Formats: sequence, structure tokens, C-alpha cells
Amino acid sequence: AAGVIQSPRHLIKEKRETATLKCYPIPRHDTVYWYQQGPGQDPQFLISFYEKMQSDKGSIPDRFSAQQFSDYHSELNMSSLELGDSALYFCASRFGGAEAFFGQGTRLTVV
Amino acid sequence: AQKVTQAQTEISVVEKEDVTLDCVYETRDTTYYLFWYKQPPSGELVFLIRRNSFDEQNEISGRYSWNFQKSTSSFNFTITASQVVDSAVYFCALSSTGTASKLTFGTGTRLQVTL
Repeated sequence: AAGVIQSPRHLIKEKRETATLKCYPIPRHDTVYWYQQGPGQDPQFLISFYEKMQSDKGSIPDRFSAQQFSDYHSELNMSSLELGDSALYFCASRFGGAEAFFGQGTRLTVV
Repeated sequence: AQKVTQAQTEISVVEKEDVTLDCVYETRDTTYYLFWYKQPPSGELVFLIRRNSFDEQNEISGRYSWNFQKSTSSFNFTITASQVVDSAVYFCALSSTGTASKLTFGTGTRLQVTL
């Protein structure tokens, strides 16, 4: 069965650079979530989309933005990167109230 | 606001022991969903179970079982006859039943199973 695809899997950026993370949800799933997980932390909700419209916003810095495109893939754009942005970034998709399936994550390292 | 508490930060057991991971939640919603996810050392988040708040039936899946008690706001997870491959961080999570409701995670319990 198709799973949530995230790219890239690993990313190394320098401070103040920009990064774009991509997510391809499971087909026919209507909701996409982005989460950030710091080392030893639980996943923290950043933002979500329902049917390509922003649905909810969590603790997402103003330097970050996200969108969902007509083909349902989503991108998380991160600018002016800081050392503290180093984390594992997950995308998840869900259909209705069913279980949310997570991608394998993008490990971002800011140096 | 929703909150999930996993008081056990780390548990260490010897293979074949049974182990229970505790999860206590807080929500003002009358209906909600509860989840358990496993995060092995490789890092991915693996879905284990989803439970509707109106369904308090306990569930067993192989060596895994879940005990949902609405009266105590708990959703505990038991692994029977633990194996080394069970070593991972386990997260309990909660979401409302509303459209596109986010999942709120607990802080996780790191389970170490040794030979």
C-alpha cells in the first residue's frame, strides 16, 4: 500500500539559508499535517491542511510557511534557518477521523 | 486544551517480560480519538492503534493489548513476552473528532528490552 512520502530524507543547511521539505500524502487522504520533533522530544504540531486549505496552526515560527498544492502534495518552506531548527520533520496524512499515517521524516541539520 | 501524560520516561525489561506503558489524557471533548505510535531507533513513527472514545472495549493484537478506561482517562498499552525488537519510544496521542483535528502527543516512553 502507498505510504506518505517525504523528501529529502536528510538535509544539511547553513544558518540563514532556506530549506524546502516536500510531502506526498497517501492518495485520497484529505488532511495533511506537519510536525517537528527535536532530539528526545515528542512531535510538535506545526500546521495542517484540509482539502488544500490551511486548517490549523500550531507553534510554527513566522520564518516557516507551508502550502498544499492542487495535486495534494505539500511543502514546508523554512527561511533564515537557525541552529535550533535542527530536528526531524514529519508529514502525516489522514482520511477523516481515521488513523494518521506518518512519513519517514526529513532530518534537517543546520550548521 | 488537550494534554497527554506519559509519566514513565524510560522502562527497561528483560526479554520475555510483560510490560505496561501508561497513558493518561485530558480533554474537554465528549468524543475523541486515542492513538499509540511506535518510534524505533530508525526514527519513523509507526501507527499501532486508534481507539474511539465511545468504544471502551479492550483490544488485543498478537502480543499487544490496550486497556481503555474512560472513567480514569487512561489508555494503557501492554506488551506481552517482550522482545528485543520492541525496543523503541512509544507515544500516546489524542485528537478531537472534528475535521482535520491535530494529534497531541505525550512525551513518550522509551522501552529498552535486553536479552
